[in-house]
Amino acid sequence: NAGVTQTPKFQVLKTGQSMTLQCAQDMNHEYMSWYRQDPGMGLRLIHYSVGAGITDQGEVPNGYNVSRSTTEDFPLRLLSAAPSQTSVYFCASRPTSGGGYEQYFGPGTRLTVT
Amino acid sequence: AQKITQTQPGMFVQEKEAVTLDCTYDTSDPSYGLFWYKQPSSGEMIFLIYQGSYDQQNATEGRYSLNFQKARKSANLVISASQLGDSAMYFCAMKGRSGGGADGLTFGKGTHLIIQP
Repeated sequence: NAGVTQTPKFQVLKTGQSMTLQCAQDMNHEYMSWYRQDPGMGLRLIHYSVGAGITDQGEVPNGYNVSRSTTEDFPLRLLSAAPSQTSVYFCASRPTSGGGYEQYFGPGTRLTVT
Repeated sequence: AQKITQTQPGMFVQEKEAVTLDCTYDTSDPSYGLFWYKQPSSGEMIFLIYQGSYDQQNATEGRYSLNFQKARKSANLVISASQLGDSAMYFCAMKGRSGGGADGLTFGKGTHLIIQP
């Protein structure tokens, strides 16, 4: 099992550019989510999905879009990058059935917007 | 709304001593879960321990234990016999309705723990 994988590891964008952060998991987890981590802060929930075809907003969704066409993949799209979106982005997954509670985090993507 | 408060931005501890990292929480949800994660300088998030709000006993995982005091809304992490490799950021988090998101985690700001030889 590779667990939760994220690509790219690092990315630099110019203001106004768009891009997609990729997240994939091979554990057949129903629940997937995206967080951002800013300096001196804990992680904050951006968007989440409880299964293929179902997504919803978290605490800080503005400027981001998600979709979930398969169980494995949960990409995060930045529509028009802004310097305020400079952050480290973490994808996480967990099962929703069977009493699982631990969230498995990917290694993170460090994004800089200039 | 849920809130997690970690009041210790940084701590210095001598190797082999026990460490207590403070965490208080606020929620109106009767059913919730509390987590501790470790984030070393390499950046990954490592799950340490979990406590459910209805669990009768305090959770333990190896050298980690969670001192859960429901009436005081605290969930402190205790690390016994600290090691140099324990130096990292530690985050307390709560599972519940985060900003409207089902089962999303609400995180505290973290405690930077440094173990000194």
